[in-house]
Amino acid sequence: GEDVEQSLFLSVREGDSSVINCTYTDSSSTYLYWYKQEPGAGLQLLTYIFSNMDMKQDQRLTVLLNKKDKHLSLRIADTQTGDSAIYFCAESRYSSASKIIFGSGTRLSIRP
Amino acid sequence: EAGVTQFPSHSVIEKGQTVTLRCDPISGHDNLYWYRRVMGKEIKFLLHFVKESKQDESGMPNNRFLAERTGGTYSTLKVQPAELEDSGVYFCASSQSGTSGGKSPTQYFGPGTRLTVL
Repeated sequence: GEDVEQSLFLSVREGDSSVINCTYTDSSSTYLYWYKQEPGAGLQLLTYIFSNMDMKQDQRLTVLLNKKDKHLSLRIADTQTGDSAIYFCAESRYSSASKIIFGSGTRLSIRP
Repeated sequence: EAGVTQFPSHSVIEKGQTVTLRCDPISGHDNLYWYRRVMGKEIKFLLHFVKESKQDESGMPNNRFLAERTGGTYSTLKVQPAELEDSGVYFCASSQSGTSGGKSPTQYFGPGTRLTVL
């Protein structure tokens, strides 16, 4: 089956690192994504990683993929108040019917 | 480059009424998708168009939902008659076809239409 799970809430202190974790069940996943939704806004693609990669880094963002355990994480270094949002983990197979399967989203809140 | 746009941004209707949501994808994107998020839960896939054809409509909840994409450009999603459980945020997304030539496999999402059924 297809299922993506992630914790609902995460609170971190400003300046610390945030780590958002996600697990998925579909072993045929080809692409894994992190989307961000700020209050009142739409979904913004933050980053994606191919299933044959272990890690991807993009400025303050680091994505780690453990394909054996079907575990994906997003690390945000030096977390700022502007990082407050809901972060959705997602996966797709990318074939001709490449629907994306999303998790429920993790709400990240920043403490001063 | 303009992103995916959706109209309206908000809609409040009564149970039993009809509502039509519109999505304009990014120009040149053959793939168009509809998703919805209900009651703060996960975002769920509804259907996928390739140009004007329905490629996958496995996520459509029931026959009260009708999606069209005449001419392969913009798409509409009609809910008739609306029920209370249809309330949520309806997202549209679009993507390019294929991944050769540096094309991105990713789907770009619109801001969503928040539908409230009273």
